[in-house]
Amino acid sequence: GENVEQHPSTLSVQEGDSAVIKCTYSDSASNYFPWYKQELGKRPQLIIDIRSNVGEKKDQRIAVTLNKTAKHFSLHITETQPEDSAVYFCAATLGTSYGKLTFGQGTILTVHP
Amino acid sequence: SAVISQKPSRDICQRGTSLTIQCQVDSQVTMMFWYRQQPGQSLTLIATANQGSEATYESGFVIDKFPISRPNLTFSTLTVSNMSPEDSSIYLCSVVVGQETQYFGPGTRLLVL
Repeated sequence: GENVEQHPSTLSVQEGDSAVIKCTYSDSASNYFPWYKQELGKRPQLIIDIRSNVGEKKDQRIAVTLNKTAKHFSLHITETQPEDSAVYFCAATLGTSYGKLTFGQGTILTVHP
Repeated sequence: SAVISQKPSRDICQRGTSLTIQCQVDSQVTMMFWYRQQPGQSLTLIATANQGSEATYESGFVIDKFPISRPNLTFSTLTVSNMSPEDSSIYLCSVVVGQETQYFGPGTRLLVL
């Protein structure tokens, strides 16, 4: 089955710096890659996603890049703010199984004021 | 998006008992899933809740332990049977809206003593 590896497990940055989280996946048939943000005690919230026919997608301070050949995708957060502090999860579809997501291990992002 | 609610939001149960978790969506959705998030861990897919037929379970999860019902396109239940302390987790339902976008319910925090 699909395997998603996420790095780093923790990331600490100063306010205003950029943060990058990277994920690799194993199933070359995967075609949808969402990113979720989970604040303490809350549900995972979708923050951005990318499909396999797109190499990059941006939404204000958040961007995601996808390299299908290398089977990796990354989340980029620019001009980080303390409210960006949370756990971030990448995910990939389970092959071509519609809707089934395999999640990475998560990254605890801390933004220091 | 979709408005998803879960009941109960949290519970403390004794080992050997069972708990049924409800998931309600404000619109009809085709795809509905149940995930488990163990303390400090990532999300793991338990099963796909299929309307009108038996749920499809992922490796490591069985119907006797996690029976699932899906009587219609807006509602599903997950039962955690014969609970042990290892079942202490957050259980989340999710739905797919549109092509692939997946939204999560608020989760049910379960503690088994």
